[in-house]
Amino acid sequence: EMVMTQSPATLSVSPGERATLSCRASESVSSNLAWYQQKPGQAPRLLIHGASTRATGVPARFSGSGSGTEFTLTINSLQSEDFAVYYCQQYNKWPPGTFGQGTKVEIK
Amino acid sequence: EVELVESGGGLVQPGGSLRLSCAASGFTFSSFGMNWVRQAPGKGLEWVSSISGTGISIFYADSVKGRFTISRDNAKNLLYFQMSSLRAEDTAVYYCARAGPGGSYWSWGQGTLVTVSS
Repeated sequence: EMVMTQSPATLSVSPGERATLSCRASESVSSNLAWYQQKPGQAPRLLIHGASTRATGVPARFSGSGSGTEFTLTINSLQSEDFAVYYCQQYNKWPPGTFGQGTKVEIK
Repeated sequence: EVELVESGGGLVQPGGSLRLSCAASGFTFSSFGMNWVRQAPGKGLEWVSSISGTGISIFYADSVKGRFTISRDNAKNLLYFQMSSLRAEDTAVYYCARAGPGGSYWSWGQGTLVTVSS
């Protein structure tokens, strides 16, 4: 069974700083990885697919990298609207599209 | 603009049934696979079911297989989720999501809450 592990569980960052989120797959998923942002009371929003391709309308301060089992979502110069929970999801072995447990980015 | 609007959620007793609907607009519905993803209160995201654009290919998570049925009406741009033999652990917000590149989820509805409780 594919397991996606995100770290840290919570990340405290000051506005304007950089946030670095990690996602690890229990086996290689190649570049078949997506990142989502979810704000309280809202649906998730696709940010990144193919490990590094930004979805339509996603600001350039969001970037994804990695392949195989190790992935990173970087948010440069955090804005107030970026404080949210972020999920990674693999789709190399689909279904299911396994999600990580999420990383909460909170205001420091 | 892609829009997905879920409906049909509510309070149901254990063992009961419920049918969710998802109305799609802003894209050629029959050209895209559709999915149901759920989120239990305070928890993460869990994929539960998918259906191809034609409706021929259907997949379920083990947790719902044999109890839930996904279907679609391409003439009406509607996605359905028939939920039976509901359990307390099925309590969640259910999102419909349009397929994106690979097996990602490109667009999401606002979700509908299903509460299974006596």
